[in-house]
Amino acid sequence: AQTVTQSQPEMSVQEAETVTLSCTYDTSESDYYLFWYKQPPSRQMILVIRQEAYKQQNATENRFSVNFQKAAKSFSLKISDSQLGDAAMYFCAYRTARHSGYALNFGKGTSLLVTP
Amino acid sequence: EAGVVQSPRYKIIEKKQPVAFWCNPISGHNTLYWYRQNLGQGPELLIRYENEEAVDDSQLPKDRFSAERLKGVDSTLKIQPAELGDSAVYLCASSLGDGTGELFFGEGSRLTVL
Repeated sequence: AQTVTQSQPEMSVQEAETVTLSCTYDTSESDYYLFWYKQPPSRQMILVIRQEAYKQQNATENRFSVNFQKAAKSFSLKISDSQLGDAAMYFCAYRTARHSGYALNFGKGTSLLVTP
Repeated sequence: EAGVVQSPRYKIIEKKQPVAFWCNPISGHNTLYWYRQNLGQGPELLIRYENEEAVDDSQLPKDRFSAERLKGVDSTLKIQPAELGDSAVYLCASSLGDGTGELFFGEGSRLTVL
């Protein structure tokens, strides 16, 4: 089974600064998807960014970007110009590409605190 | 477009009592997931449906948990009898199954077992 590890239980960043959240995963597959999901307190989980393993180019979505290192099995999330609304739990997730409906395997999450 | 709808949002019960959670996925989404999220942890899959068929229920504790998805739309997750360790947030998610891989989540049902 594929495992996802988030080694930072908590991170803190000042407003307008940049923060990087780490994620590593273990798999023997060559084709898969990686995700970062955001879960604000008592609110639903939403997709932040997605990366297809076959793509070498790192995904970006506005202030969010990833550093995907396939050989190292690393998938970090960089948040630039942090805003108070970025405070949340962030989950890294893995999904095989073998079947489109397969479930996501999640890491334990990183709690991001944004200070004014 | 309506998102994934779950109810109830909160439920407090005594141990050994039954409880049920309901989920209405996004219209047209064939794949439905139930996850359990313990406090401070990531979600863990309980069961996955493709239409009305449960295609992955290996993590579902079948002695006390059951689920159904009649007509391939709404789904219900039941626990009977509940135990203290079942206290968690139960998340429902759905996806198109079109290869993008994105899951859309509901707000979850928070269960407290006393």
